[in-house]
Order: sequence, then structure tokens, then C-alpha cells
Amino acid sequence: QQQVKQSPQSLIVQKGGISIINCAYENTAFDYFPWYQQFPGKGPALLIAIRPDVSEKKEGRFTISFNKSAKQFSLHIMDSQPGDSATYFCAASKGGGSQGNLIFGKGTKLSVKP
Amino acid sequence: NAGVTQTPKFQVLKTGQSMTLQCAQDMNHNSMYWYRQDPGMGLRLIYYSASEGTTDKGEVPNGYNVSRLNKREFSLRLESAAPSQTSVYFCASRGELGQPFGGYTFGSGTRLTVV
Repeated sequence: QQQVKQSPQSLIVQKGGISIINCAYENTAFDYFPWYQQFPGKGPALLIAIRPDVSEKKEGRFTISFNKSAKQFSLHIMDSQPGDSATYFCAASKGGGSQGNLIFGKGTKLSVKP
Repeated sequence: NAGVTQTPKFQVLKTGQSMTLQCAQDMNHNSMYWYRQDPGMGLRLIYYSASEGTTDKGEVPNGYNVSRLNKREFSLRLESAAPSQTSVYFCASRGELGQPFGGYTFGSGTRLTVV
């Protein structure tokens, strides 16, 4: 049973455009929602994370939007650049991030065309 | 640089051979994990260790064993490799809140091919 569903599987965006990746979760006990970025041949790296006490978190060009009632959260990449081309994973866990294991979505491969 | 170190980076095994994937972290993290990554399947948890001396099964443990040798090291063993175990394996560790923000730190992976 997949507890975190991620879409789309792949995404092509023009340079300067907005990339949007969506995730939905099932377990209402989840209270920590990170996004990971993975470049080819590398391990995933934590990009940005949010807890459900806020509806949005922004770090530079990257924003997480969180909708607790819909059990959905999304990653927005503003002014997308070719260097943002990577695979992005959403995840969720319980215990505010200090307990429990992360449940990952299946990933979205983003390609930003120059 | 501090982080998670995995060895080897690449390995080719014949069906039935055994091998151990090594992982070490120098961030004093309590929790360590082994994941496998396959195309279209995302990251699937094989085993994890919440603290030194404890290990637990994850989503896909069959065919694998682990050892938490000490706080730094967490190894993954394939006793009799099968072609279905061809994958990229990632080790990760987790710090507490604020280190970094409860997230995992991943190694650079071991690409394993079983022929």
C-alpha cells in the first residue's frame, strides 16, 4: 500500500517557467513533509521540509505548499533553471521528523529545457 | 567532509555469490537506513537501525541481512545474490531535530549488478 502518491512521474519545463510537483498522503498522523533532490549518480539530498503548522514554506526559488484538509502538499520551483534538472522525491513521516521512518513517493524526473 | 560514506561504488556479482555493502557516518547520528532504488519504484526501505544494537525490517527485507557494528557503521549483506537484487543501494542516517531539520543524509550509493 503506497502511503505517499507523487505526480507527475516526469515533467518538462522551459527555462524560466514554474515547475510543480504534487504529493498526496493517506496517514493523518504524518507531520513532517520533506522534499529531496537527486542528481544522476548521486544520493538524494534534503531540499526543503515543512511541518503542518504552516501552509507554506519558501526557500529561495523553492516553495512547499501544504493543504492539511486535502492531505496534499506540493513543490513549486520558480524561474526553473537547467541546473534544477533532477529527480525530486516527496516524503512523509510521523514524530515531527525525529521519529519514525520516511515514506517516499516514487519520484518525479524534472527536465528544464534551455 | 562529514557525511555518509558507502563502499564499494560499483559491483558486479554472479548469481549465488555473497557480498557486504559497507556504510559509515561521522555525524554521530543514531538512526541508519538501507534503501534500494529501482526505476519507477522510488526508494524502498530494506532495513533500518534506530540505535546502536537494534535493527528492524523495512518494506523489502527478503534476501538481505544487516549488522549495526557500532554507532558509525551499518552494513548490508547479500548472502546469495539474485538478478532481482540488481539495483542502486543507498545508505542514509538521520539526525535529531535541527540536524538537518529531521532529514536524512544519504550516501552516494552502490550500483550493484547481479548476472
